[in-house]
Order: sequence, then structure tokens, then C-alpha cells
Amino acid sequence: DGGITQSPKYLFRKEGQNVTLSCEQNLNHDAMYWYRQDPGQGLRLIYYSQIVNDFQKGDIAEGYSVSREKKESFPLTVTSAQKNPTAFYLCASSPTGTTGANVLTFGAGSRLTVL
Amino acid sequence: KNQVEQSPQSLIILEGKNCTLQCNYTVSPFSNLRWYKQDTGRGPVSLTIMTFSENTKSNGRYTATLDADTKQSSLHITASQLSDSASYICVVMRNTNAGKSTFGDGTTLTVKP
Repeated sequence: DGGITQSPKYLFRKEGQNVTLSCEQNLNHDAMYWYRQDPGQGLRLIYYSQIVNDFQKGDIAEGYSVSREKKESFPLTVTSAQKNPTAFYLCASSPTGTTGANVLTFGAGSRLTVL
Repeated sequence: KNQVEQSPQSLIILEGKNCTLQCNYTVSPFSNLRWYKQDTGRGPVSLTIMTFSENTKSNGRYTATLDADTKQSSLHITASQLSDSASYICVVMRNTNAGKSTFGDGTTLTVKP
């Protein structure tokens, strides 16, 4: 089955630690995204990448970093500089270039809790 | 400012009843509008996608409408089931780059037996 796999599903972190969330897709999508979801709020874009070895900051990139070394993978690192990292993180992917075809396919999410 | 406003914030209905969720947007330029269903603790799943020229799109018991002139959309759920309990998210894209999507805060629907 094609889809997006996020891991881990649950992650606990101590203050001051960096953590990396994994996102892998086998949909052959060019574009990948990371969103943050807080209770009662809409998804906010952290970073996105439209092609391998290239990525752009979203609306709330501070305290986060990404890499896109492979088309299938787009890991997100939550650094100690992120002041309020406890949240639900969603990875998504989409094809590019065709109007109306760019439906985002989401992973199941990773819930990060800072202790 | 590009915004997507959803109402109501939450809704409780009895199983078998119909309901309608609203989405108003000020996003410009407009490319398409999608409705997603998000179960608790899971990622959103696409229900419908509509471009500027489409007024209605159905997916089973879900029917979405779009009025591009008034910048309003609705999602109508017919004969609700317990499994419809979820958050429903309206998303508007400004162009072909999905990174330019604006998400509403969602409507939390609870279907009770």
C-alpha cells in the first residue's frame, strides 16, 4: 500500500534535547511538508520541500530544522531552541505542477511531549 | 489577510440526523478548496476537492458546496453515523503550490447514539 509513515507515534523529550521525527513516503510525490497542530487550532506549516535537496521555511520554522536528501524522506528535527515543542506533528506529501491535483496526503502523526 | 473561518466550532447531533458545516474564506487568489476529516490522534484524510468552477462535489454521504462569489463553502453530512465523529477541516489553496494552503481551525462533530 502506498502512503506516508511517521515515526515514532509518541515521543517524550526532556527540555534541552533535540529530537528527530521521521517521515517516509512511497507515493513518489515530489513535495513534502511538516505541520504542527495544537488543540483547537488549524494546522500551521513548519517547513516544506518541493524537490530533493531544497526546502523552504513555512510560517513557524523557528526552532525546527529539516533535510531532504532523498525523495522519499523528510525528517524534522525539533531543536532545544523551540520554546514550546509539545504538539502533534503531521507530515504530508503531494504531487506538484498540476492545478487541483495537489491533494495533501497525511501521515498518522507524531505526538511530542516535553517533560 | 488570508483566512479560513469555520463554524460552528463544535457540534453534537444524534445518529441518523443530517448536519451542515460552514467554511468562509478570504484567501486570494483562489485555486481550490478541500474538506478533510481528521479522526482523533490521526492524520487528516481528504473528503472532497473543488476548483473555482465547481459548485457541488459528493463523496458518499458527504456533499460539499462552493460559492466562489461569496467565498463560502459547506459540507453536508447525510444520515450521520457514529463513525462520522471527527474534526472536519476546510483548506483553501492559493495556487498550485500546496505549501500555500490555509487551514481552518476545524469543526468538531460528535455523533451520539
